[in-house]
Amino acid sequence: DIQMTQSPTSLSASVGDRVTITCRASQGISLYLAWYQQKPGKVPKLLISAASTLQSGVPSRFSGSGSGTDFTLTISSLQPEDVATYYCQKYNSAPLTFGGGTKVEIK
Amino acid sequence: EVQLLESGGGFVQPGGSLRLSCAVSGFTFSRYAMSWVRQAPGKGLEWVSSISAGGGATYYADSVKGRFTISRDNSKNTLYLRMNSLRAEDTAVYYCAKHLNGWSFDVFDIWGQGTMVTVSS
Repeated sequence: DIQMTQSPTSLSASVGDRVTITCRASQGISLYLAWYQQKPGKVPKLLISAASTLQSGVPSRFSGSGSGTDFTLTISSLQPEDVATYYCQKYNSAPLTFGGGTKVEIK
Repeated sequence: EVQLLESGGGFVQPGGSLRLSCAVSGFTFSRYAMSWVRQAPGKGLEWVSSISAGGGATYYADSVKGRFTISRDNSKNTLYLRMNSLRAEDTAVYYCAKHLNGWSFDVFDIWGQGTMVTVSS
């Protein structure tokens, strides 16, 4: 099975900083990569599908890139409401594996 | 408004069984594949199982294969997860999730609020 590895596992940044989270697949998955945001005590929310397609209503400061095995989620200007854990997920085939998550905090 | 409402969680001893349900409304249930995802306390998300729109194809994580069974009743707009031979490591919040485009392999655009399953002696 394909493994999904996220880095870092956690980060602390200042408001307004540019934040980058990476997700690596152990084998190529083309563009079948999604990003989710889970705020503390809340249900996960879909941010990005197909590696870079922003879902409706998601702020434009979020962006995704990559293909094959290496993917990136970028928050261009970190806001207090972005405090959350972010997960990548492959969905080209079963198992629909999630990455381990990246916890984002405000410094 | 699209809604997913899970039920059936609770406390069960190791080796026991539970059946989770997910009642949906606000969309044409029979057109969309669905999944179950779980989250152990303080841990990350783990995909558990998926079922095609018509119910003819099912998929499972290795950790639950042979113990869990996903099913659906399109006439009742309800998704199920039958869980047998439960283990302590199955303790988690279980979410049902709708697939964005209806495909069996897809992202999850709508999630339920989750139901807690605790397996302990």
